[in-house]
Amino acid sequence: DIVMTQSPDSLAVSLGERATINCKSSQSVLYSSNNKNYLAWYQQKPGQPPKLLIYWASTRESGVPDRFSGSGSGTDFTLTISSLQTEDVALYYCQQYYSTPYTFGQGTKLEIK
Amino acid sequence: QVQLQESGPGLVKPSETLSLTCTVSGDSIRGDYWTWIRQPPGKGLEWIGYIHYSVTTNYNPSLKSRVTISADASKNQFSLRLSSVTTADTAVYYCARVKRSGGFDIWGQGTMVTVSS
Repeated sequence: DIVMTQSPDSLAVSLGERATINCKSSQSVLYSSNNKNYLAWYQQKPGQPPKLLIYWASTRESGVPDRFSGSGSGTDFTLTISSLQTEDVALYYCQQYYSTPYTFGQGTKLEIK
Repeated sequence: QVQLQESGPGLVKPSETLSLTCTVSGDSIRGDYWTWIRQPPGKGLEWIGYIHYSVTTNYNPSLKSRVTISADASKNQFSLRLSSVTTADTAVYYCARVKRSGGFDIWGQGTMVTVSS
């Protein structure tokens, strides 16, 4: 299984400031034949299902604000929120869909400082 | 607008079988992959498995011996059966659509299943 490790486990950022969450996979999730990273990011608020934010490591899902961006390749990935808003307080998960079993990171809790 | 809704018992006894159904509206289950994910209280997400109607299923090896995912196109539903449950299977169970370009893009609201005698 591909192990996904996120850092930090929790993060407190001031409103309007940048938030950065890291995700590392135990093996590459870059598929060489199409040069795509099989990596997604989700946001989960209390009592709600996860919401897909980013797929292919850097493609924003329709309707996701452009303050959310994804970057990275191979085994190291980053989710960046450029200017933190109150509604961004949530848990964030990365997920690899390169191979089954699909696996998620342990989650990062994002709070307002 | 695609919507998914989980249904099934909220309480299951140890050693019995957990059975859940996901009803899909706004999309046909014939054309996509559909998946189950669970989340124990206060913990992270665990992928259970997926089904592509009449083509294939794929299960998490950690659950494979106990899991069956099936689909009923006439009802536009897919289902999860998890046998021989223990308290460790207590979780919120979600159904979701597998986006063709990757990730799970549409989720049900989730249903809490408690395993307890």
